[in-house]
Amino acid sequence: EAGVAQSPRYKIIEKRQSVAFWCNPISGHATLYWYQQILGQGPKLLIQFQNNGVVDDSQLPKDRFSAERLKGVDSTLKIQPAKLEDSAVYLCASSFAGLFGEQYFGPGTRLTVT
Amino acid sequence: DAKTTQPTSMDCAEGRAANLPCNHSTISGNEYVYWYRQIHSQGPQYIIHGLKNNETNEMASLIITEDRKSSTLILPHATLRDTAVYYCIVRNDYKLSFGAGTTVTVRA
Repeated sequence: EAGVAQSPRYKIIEKRQSVAFWCNPISGHATLYWYQQILGQGPKLLIQFQNNGVVDDSQLPKDRFSAERLKGVDSTLKIQPAKLEDSAVYLCASSFAGLFGEQYFGPGTRLTVT
Repeated sequence: DAKTTQPTSMDCAEGRAANLPCNHSTISGNEYVYWYRQIHSQGPQYIIHGLKNNETNEMASLIITEDRKSSTLILPHATLRDTAVYYCIVRNDYKLSFGAGTTVTVRA
């Protein structure tokens, strides 16, 4: 089966610019996650969707980050405006069974903010 | 979620078993132990999980102590492709809370 797809794979922007990342989860997976991974650290959950509803966005910096999952399939994560500390890899994951389901990760988008 | 403690790094020889320890002394009865790994420039990959009993799959074995305060992930025959960061996670809900993990380097 096809895995989690993400694009772009790399993005370089200047601070105060905006950027968007796209994720296509594995077909049939109702749960979708966005993680932020800063260099040298483990991934940190930003937001979780169940179908097209938000389950947890407690760690999402809502003043600059937003995410949506229209129609319960694809998702986009946006940063506006970007700061230097947003430089990280943004990982998307999906799972079939919500609570303890195995999470399948995409390759990530590496963002560099200069 | 209970916190885990893992060594920062470890080396192992190709073809030998790799034993990765994890301490989770504050684990509670309904929390599972999960292991993921992350190969360079890739997203994390699920390896195995368990609650009380030892578990084995095609990738690895998970040994959980009787008091559940620690566990060991065993890669039976390490290959160069097993070089990665390995994360031990204690989980009681949908969240995966990743620590810094153990960087495992398999040497020829």
